[in-house]
Amino acid sequence: QLQLQQSGPGLVKPSETLSLTCSVSGGSVSDNNFLWGWIRQPPGKELDWIGSGTYSGTTYYNPSLKSRVTISVDMSRNQFSLKLTSVTAADTAIYYCARMKNWAAAVTWGQGTLVTVSS
Amino acid sequence: DIVVTQTPLSLSVTPGQPAAISCKSSQSLLHIDGNTYVYWYLQKAGQAPQVLIHELSNRFSGVPDRFSGSGSGTDFTLTISRVEAEDVGIYYCMQGKQIPATFGQGTKLEI
Repeated sequence: QLQLQQSGPGLVKPSETLSLTCSVSGGSVSDNNFLWGWIRQPPGKELDWIGSGTYSGTTYYNPSLKSRVTISVDMSRNQFSLKLTSVTAADTAIYYCARMKNWAAAVTWGQGTLVTVSS
Repeated sequence: DIVVTQTPLSLSVTPGQPAAISCKSSQSLLHIDGNTYVYWYLQKAGQAPQVLIHELSNRFSGVPDRFSGSGSGTDFTLTISRVEAEDVGIYYCMQGKQIPATFGQGTKLEI
């Protein structure tokens, strides 16, 4: 059964880069049937789709974040990652990694990581 | 962006009774490929969301058959035929027709 294990810092300073990694077990990031993505949820608010990508380098990003976000998939480590640059307090949220059945729809979720942007 | 609006925002249901959540989108979610890209998720307290319904009316693997999705165009409904105690949480509707994918505000179901 596929499991996603997230890792990364829970506190990031304003203007710095948020970096999270999602390690995949029980499956492969090179599986052509799926994409790999990130969704976030500000405290007490609804879900916010960040984007998704494939091992071959195809990516789909939320236009509101496109200039700041990078999703990459690493076959050699069977993991994928999120980088969000120039963060502000508005980026404070629980970040979830997910296996996606298409560019949009998460079907298996990681446990979530609360990332707080604060000095 | 496609705006997704859910009603009601909260719902209190007696176990064994049905429940319905409405989702409306600002544009049709029928894609040229024939699929309607509506998804339903349930987020239980302190947990990540879990997918219930994909592409309008398809139950995801392991989802009980008391959950069903229906609708067309811009109007959609998630129906729970007989609510159980384990169904409490926040239900989200999501559109996956057009980037960015967008979620509704959520509907909190209580027993």
